[in-house]
Amino acid sequence: EPEVTQTPSHQVTQMGQEVILRCVPISNHLYFYWYRQILGQKVEFLVSFYNNEISEKSEIFDDQFSVERPDGSNFTLKIRSTKLEDSAMYFCASSVRDNSPLHFGNGTRLTVT
Amino acid sequence: AQSVTQLGSHVSVSEGALVLLRCNYSSSVPPYLFWYVQYPNQGLQLLLKYTSAATLVKGINGFEAEFKKSETSFHLTKPSAHMSDAAEYFCAVSDQGGYQKVTFGTGTKLQVIP
Repeated sequence: EPEVTQTPSHQVTQMGQEVILRCVPISNHLYFYWYRQILGQKVEFLVSFYNNEISEKSEIFDDQFSVERPDGSNFTLKIRSTKLEDSAMYFCASSVRDNSPLHFGNGTRLTVT
Repeated sequence: AQSVTQLGSHVSVSEGALVLLRCNYSSSVPPYLFWYVQYPNQGLQLLLKYTSAATLVKGINGFEAEFKKSETSFHLTKPSAHMSDAAEYFCAVSDQGGYQKVTFGTGTKLQVIP
């Protein structure tokens, strides 16, 4: 069964550094998402992306965050200047259309030191 | 805005016993409701989805959930727990239509005791 794949599985970075989290959505999916889960807390919506533009974003998704689909397969989340509170598990998801279930990747655990 | 409340952050059941994980939702429009499961060090896997068709929804691994509008509930059940069911379970809601922004509950960790 097709899967959403995320790399790396674990990323450690120093405060103030830029990080890029990478995702390869399922190939025929058109809608893409990033969610995050701070340790011990609920899974939170960050952003949704369709037709090469952001369709919705949460208040968490401030100017430090950006998303991009640089080619036909990858979907990336960039954090420009990481803060300690950005430490979390970041999940990428995709769906074939806007009313179909989300398929999640296994996540990237980001640790900011 | 929609939200879900999961009652009980931890639930323990004996192997073979009934599993009941509670979820209540709040939505100003007819909702879509989901249960996701997260095994250790893995992503979120969809167990089942309610999309305004049948109120009793059957999912994978023997789980099912019943949508009760009068109680604004969408509880997850399984008749007989298996050791492999130990995981964290998340109830989630989205508005019908739109770009599938899903709002998750805080999760319930299920422990299965042999």
